[in-house]
Amino acid sequence: GQNIDQPTEMTATEGAIVQINCTYQTSGFNGLFWYQQHAGEAPTFLSYNVLDGLEEKGRFSSFLSRSKGYSYLLLKELQMKDSASYLCAALNTGGFKTIFGAGTRLFVKA
Amino acid sequence: DAGITQSPRHKVTETGTPVTLRCHQTENHRYMYWYRQDPGHGLRLIHYSYGVKDTDKGEVSDGYSVSRSKTEDFLLTLESATSSQTSVYFCAISESSGRASLNEQFFGPGTRLTVL
Repeated sequence: GQNIDQPTEMTATEGAIVQINCTYQTSGFNGLFWYQQHAGEAPTFLSYNVLDGLEEKGRFSSFLSRSKGYSYLLLKELQMKDSASYLCAALNTGGFKTIFGAGTRLFVKA
Repeated sequence: DAGITQSPRHKVTETGTPVTLRCHQTENHRYMYWYRQDPGHGLRLIHYSYGVKDTDKGEVSDGYSVSRSKTEDFLLTLESATSSQTSVYFCAISESSGRASLNEQFFGPGTRLTVL
């Protein structure tokens, strides 16, 4: 079967670091995406990993382990505007279909 | 930002009526997708298109049909709306699809549909 698991909610403090984990099981795998979605808005692209390892982009980093079916999104120097849902998504072989997790709602408190 | 719009943005309709949602892009992207988003389920793919008149089903396609007569427009039709189709519908586009490609998706602003 195909499944993506990520925590439902997380809370962190402004200025801190938070790690959002994601595990996936898909019938074929062609890469792992992270999207950010603020309440009432559309998802926007954050990162893409296809090879094992860490991809860093400013305050955001994403890690992938294909052998373990595992990824995480790391957010540093948290800001209040980072309060949003973070969607983990796996791209199937062939590239047409992206399977999304239910999302992790992150609350950043002062 | 990718040029992608959806219409209408909000709609309230009654059970049994037909509904058509429109997605319009100005990016000339080949791939277009329709998703629905419900609490606890995340985004689920309804249908997608890989070219003009080329479409295929996603994981939750029952009760929905699509058409793409032009590159820029992708229509989603609910032939006879049911209360279970109350949801937020997102259209997305991507430039390419392939192992060596990024396949990042750009999403429209969404349509909130309520079926009474």
